[in-house]
Amino acid sequence: AQSVTQPDIHITVSEGASLELRCNYSYGATPYLFWYVQSPGQGLQLLLKYFSGDTLVQGIKGFEAEFKRSQSSFNLRKPSVHWSDAAEYFCAVGGQGAQKLVFGQGTRLTINP
Amino acid sequence: EPEVTQTPSHQVTQMGQEVILRCVPISNHLYFYWYRQILGQKVEFLVSFYNNEISEKSEIFDDQFSVERPDGSNFTLKIRSTKLEDSAMYFCASSVDGASGNTIYFGEGSWLTVV
Repeated sequence: AQSVTQPDIHITVSEGASLELRCNYSYGATPYLFWYVQSPGQGLQLLLKYFSGDTLVQGIKGFEAEFKRSQSSFNLRKPSVHWSDAAEYFCAVGGQGAQKLVFGQGTRLTINP
Repeated sequence: EPEVTQTPSHQVTQMGQEVILRCVPISNHLYFYWYRQILGQKVEFLVSFYNNEISEKSEIFDDQFSVERPDGSNFTLKIRSTKLEDSAMYFCASSVDGASGNTIYFGEGSWLTVV
């Protein structure tokens, strides 16, 4: 069965600092991987996704993520965070032909001024 | 940019009452979904819907839940007799089709509080 683990429930970084949010997945075949962001009072917005090709994926708002099959990871990174990046971040996995996504627990990001 | 819209944004209901949550998926999308997120827990898949029928559902989606596309634009989730544990954020979503890796677009959610 598919599963996603986001080991960090809450992360605090200073504005301008770099960010890495961890995501590990479990899936028996080639996964389709997604990062969504949920700002307070908002829905889930897609940041980026991986389903084939280059393992380094660029997304919106300056985010990127790297798929590492050997580590079953899909960590999200940003070189310099902005106060507006404060939100909840969800990693999700979808499988071959599957219409549903399996989400991780989410990581809440707080930005210190 | 086209978006999925949901109403109401927040509803409070008494235990045992019926609730209908409404959604307008993106207009050219063919697959529709409901997910829910109980406070502090993961976002969970409930059901997917295509061509006027359920294509996949989770164990959570039991007989008290139903979905319907009553007209060409709306997609609804009905909870027949609400329980306290149904309190959650319910997300509607849609995608162009059900192909692997297709982006699923989510609405802003409907908060349901059962008292």
